[in-house]
Amino acid sequence: DQQVKQNSPSLSVQEGRISILNCDYTNSMFDYFLWYKKYPAEGPTFLISISSIKDKNEDGRFTVFLNKSAKHLSLHIVPSQPGDSAVYFCAAGGGTGTASKLTFGTGTRLQVTL
Amino acid sequence: EAGVAQSPRYKIIEKRQSVAFWCNPISGHATLYWYQQILGQGPKLLIQFQNNGVVDDSQLPKDRFSAERLKGVDSTLKIQPAKLEDSAVYLCASSLFIGGAVKQQFFGPGTRLTVL
Repeated sequence: DQQVKQNSPSLSVQEGRISILNCDYTNSMFDYFLWYKKYPAEGPTFLISISSIKDKNEDGRFTVFLNKSAKHLSLHIVPSQPGDSAVYFCAAGGGTGTASKLTFGTGTRLQVTL
Repeated sequence: EAGVAQSPRYKIIEKRQSVAFWCNPISGHATLYWYQQILGQGPKLLIQFQNNGVVDDSQLPKDRFSAERLKGVDSTLKIQPAKLEDSAVYLCASSLFIGGAVKQQFFGPGTRLTVL
């Protein structure tokens, strides 16, 4: 049972445009959400997080939106840059309000073209 | 600050052989995690340690997988005997409590295991 779903395996966006990556979850106990970026042959690196008490968190070019009623979150990257090309994982923390117990999605491969 | 260290980076073994992976977390991080990432999937938690005690090993196949964290620092994950389906990247992560909360997990580069 996939509790965290990233339904788009890949996404291609032109440099300078907005990238929108989506994530859905099914478990109502999830209360802390993170996005990680992963380059080939490296471990995932933390990008941005959001607690369930918020609906938006922004950090530079990265913004995460949370819609609790729809059990949906999205990551917006504006403007997209070639260095953003990577696999992005959505992760959900289970019931502790922290990143202590994470369930990951299957990832979305973002390709930013020139 | 040094990141999470893992070794080896790559390992190829035949089925039914045994293999061990090593992880050194970021200094001062009390919590250590081992994940299995199969190609095309997200990381799946195998085991979580708090200092040298196990917090969660509900998804660890205990008939063949074992892990330990001696002295609450380094950790080893062992597979014995390995099966073809164990081919994956094994990721180690660590985290720190800040104000009573874990804000993120820091990941190592992983060990890519191929079982032939």
